[in-house]
Amino acid sequence: EIVMTQSPATLSVSPGERATLSCRASQSVSSNLAWYQQKPGQAPRLLIYDASTRDTGIPARFSGSGSGTEFTLTISSLQSEDFAVYYCQQYDNWPPGTFGQGTKLEI
Amino acid sequence: EVQLVETGGGLVQPGGSLRLSCAASEFTVSRNYMSWVRQAPGKGLEWVTVIYSAGRTYYADSVKGRFTISRDNSKNTLYLQMNSLRAEDTAMYYCARGKSGAAPWDIWGQGTMVTVSS
Repeated sequence: EIVMTQSPATLSVSPGERATLSCRASQSVSSNLAWYQQKPGQAPRLLIYDASTRDTGIPARFSGSGSGTEFTLTISSLQSEDFAVYYCQQYDNWPPGTFGQGTKLEI
Repeated sequence: EVQLVETGGGLVQPGGSLRLSCAASEFTVSRNYMSWVRQAPGKGLEWVTVIYSAGRTYYADSVKGRFTISRDNSKNTLYLQMNSLRAEDTAMYYCARGKSGAAPWDIWGQGTMVTVSS
């Protein structure tokens, strides 16, 4: 099973600043990598798939990059509604589609 | 509006059974890859099971032999039959639609909470 490792566990950033979240796979997952956002009491929301494609309706301030084993989610200018937990998920080795443990983005 | 609505969660004793339902609107369950994903309190996300449009099913090792995914095409509804429940099955259970295959998931329900406790 592919292990996904996210860093940091918690990231403290001010509104308007840039946030960079990392995700590493224990073996290559090609570009089969997604990012989800989850706010308290809500279901996850798909932000990015295929490593760099924004899902429908996702603001342009969210961008994804990487391939193989190293991936990054960048939020260019943080808005108040962006403070949440972010998960990466690989779906190259399916099933299962393993998740990272999450990065909490806090003010 | 494209949406999923889960029902059926609740409190059940260890060893007991529960069936979750997930009703879909504005798309056809049987034409999509549908999964159940769970999240224990304060923990991360864990994929549980998937049913492909052709009917093939897969399960996480942690639930294999105890959980069964199915669908009713006439009701456009997905199900999760959970038997021999354990304390470690306590979680919020989400149903989710595969965007263009088994994953990733672009439509999620609001979740239904399952608590296994005596």
